[in-house]
Amino acid sequence: DAEITQSPRHKITETGRQVTLACHQTWNHNNMFWYRQDLGHGLRLIHYSYGVQDTNKGEVSDGYSVSRSNTEDLPLTLESAASSQTSVYFCASTGTSGDEQYFGPGTRLTVT
Amino acid sequence: AQTVTQSQPEMSVQEAETVTLSCTYDTSESDYYLFWYKQPPSRQMILVIRQEAYKQQNATENRFSVNFQKAAKSFSLKISDSQLGDAAMYFCAYRRNSNYQLIWGAGTKLIIKP
Repeated sequence: DAEITQSPRHKITETGRQVTLACHQTWNHNNMFWYRQDLGHGLRLIHYSYGVQDTNKGEVSDGYSVSRSNTEDLPLTLESAASSQTSVYFCASTGTSGDEQYFGPGTRLTVT
Repeated sequence: AQTVTQSQPEMSVQEAETVTLSCTYDTSESDYYLFWYKQPPSRQMILVIRQEAYKQQNATENRFSVNFQKAAKSFSLKISDSQLGDAAMYFCAYRRNSNYQLIWGAGTKLIIKP
């Protein structure tokens, strides 16, 4: 069965360190998204990609970057982790119809 | 800019009864999609139901149905015969027809009383 996976599931890091969160999907979807979830805010879009070599900034992109070198993967990098980036991060993908976004299980990131 | 508002941070309902979760949105678009997603304690996001704005008929999926009022920009979710497994956070989301980005409400926590 097709799926979307994220790793690691939990991560603790220190302020100022670079962190990369992995996202891998086997749906063969062109469209991929990174969200962060914080209490009281729902999900907020960080970055998204509509295909290989395509990346775009979302609502809360400061301090984050992504790259898309193939269809399956969209890694999210925190260049210099800050305590404000402590959150749960979700990766999602959708196909051409956009009928449904399929979500990974989430990564809980704590920045100390 | 489009916004989605869920005014009920928390709702509770007795098992087997019916509950309605509210969602309003703001947009100048005429062609768009609306979604309800469920997030149980496992944290997994699960699509509950989807509504296309051009369809007048309200979407239904088993015990879940929506009341879509386009003029009022309202999109409520009704859960009938509530079950313990319905306990979760419920998020309303909006998508313009011209792109794939979802705009999310802050969520409603649904508690089911046995």
